[in-house]
Order: sequence, then C-alpha cells, then structure tokens
Amino acid sequence: SQKIEQNSEALNIQEGKTATLTCNYTNYSPAYLQWYRQDPGRGPVFLLLIRENEKEKRKERLKVTFDTTLKQSLFHITASQPADSATYLCAPENTGGFKTIFGAGTRLFVKA
Amino acid sequence: GAGVSQSPSNKVTEKGKDVELRCDPISGHTALYWYRQSLGQGLEFLIYFQGNSAPDKSGLPSDRFSAERTGGSVSTLTIQRTQQEDSAVYLCASRGTSGSYEQFFGPGTRLTVL
Repeated sequence: SQKIEQNSEALNIQEGKTATLTCNYTNYSPAYLQWYRQDPGRGPVFLLLIRENEKEKRKERLKVTFDTTLKQSLFHITASQPADSATYLCAPENTGGFKTIFGAGTRLFVKA
Repeated sequence: GAGVSQSPSNKVTEKGKDVELRCDPISGHTALYWYRQSLGQGLEFLIYFQGNSAPDKSGLPSDRFSAERTGGSVSTLTIQRTQQEDSAVYLCASRGTSGSYEQFFGPGTRLTVL
C-alpha cells in the first residue's frame, strides 16, 4: 500500500541554522510532490511544488529536492527564524490523480 | 477574493446525533476535498469531488459519513449517529482548474462528540 513517512519526532534547531525535513514515500510514482505548512489551529498553507523532472526548487529561504530513485524529498529552510516554527507536511501525487494524501508532518521548533 | 470558508467553526454534539458541516470553496474551483485531523495527528483524506465526475469516497471511514456537493460549489459533510471517535477537526480544501495543484484550505470545523 502507499505510504508516506516524515520525521515523527519534532525537530528543534537554533535560529539562523538550516532546518532539513525528510519525506520518504513507497508505492508511489509521483508526478510531483507538494509541501505545506500548518500552524496550530489553522488549515495547511501551500509552500512549494516540485515536479518529477526537477531535482531542486527554491523559493526565498526554502529549498526542496526530489530524488525519484531514492523516493525521497528533502525540505530545507535556511537562516531559520522562530516564525518558521510550524508543522510541515509533504504530499506526493501520482500522474492524473487528484486524490491527495498527506504525510503526518514534522513539527519544527526554531529557538531564538 | 474570499478564501475557503467553513461553518460552523465549532460544533459540540451528543453521541448518536447527526451533524452537518458546510464548506464554501473558492469560486470557480473545480475540485473540493474533505479531510479529518485528530488531535496531534496528520490529515486523513475522506472524500474529493472533481467537477461533474463521481466523487472519490474511498477515505470515508464508515457508512455513517456522506458528503454532497451541490451545483459544483458548496459541499456538506454529514455524519450520522455520531460517535466519540468522530471528534476531530474537519478541514475542507478546494483546488483550481487543470494544471493548478495547490490546495486552499478552510479554517476547519472542530467537532466534539460528548
């Protein structure tokens, strides 16, 4: 069955450091993969989408990589700030599919 | 423009009662999703609607759950004979036309079954 794995334990880092979050998937052949941010008490907010033919995507301090051989995406936040503290969710999606399944998310805490 | 709205924001009900949760998607969005999120857990896919196609109901946990989307716009998620394990936040999201993958989420409805 399809499975998405994200770091189940919270990630604690110091302000200014780079946070790296991992998303591994099995039994998917995703055409693309999305990353979302969720703050407590709110719905997720879209951050980035990376396609299967893209190795890397950047947006401001965010960088996403996509390795379809390893079946893994890495999400990096450089120069992290306390305001980056949130839960980050990944969602791989197969070609032609609209049914989006999200990973359980990784909770990030950035300490000042 | 307005985002996705959901109502009510909070609902407290007694075990065995029926509840209806409403979602107003972004105007013109063809796809609409319902998810459930229990405390401290990830998003659980429930159902999605895409245009006039038959909905994908594969995530509905039991036949007590049903959803409708009228006129390709507003959607209602109905839970019959609620159980305590139904307590969760129910999130709705909509998505634009072909080629647009981003989902826009509403604020959710927090359901508490006593």
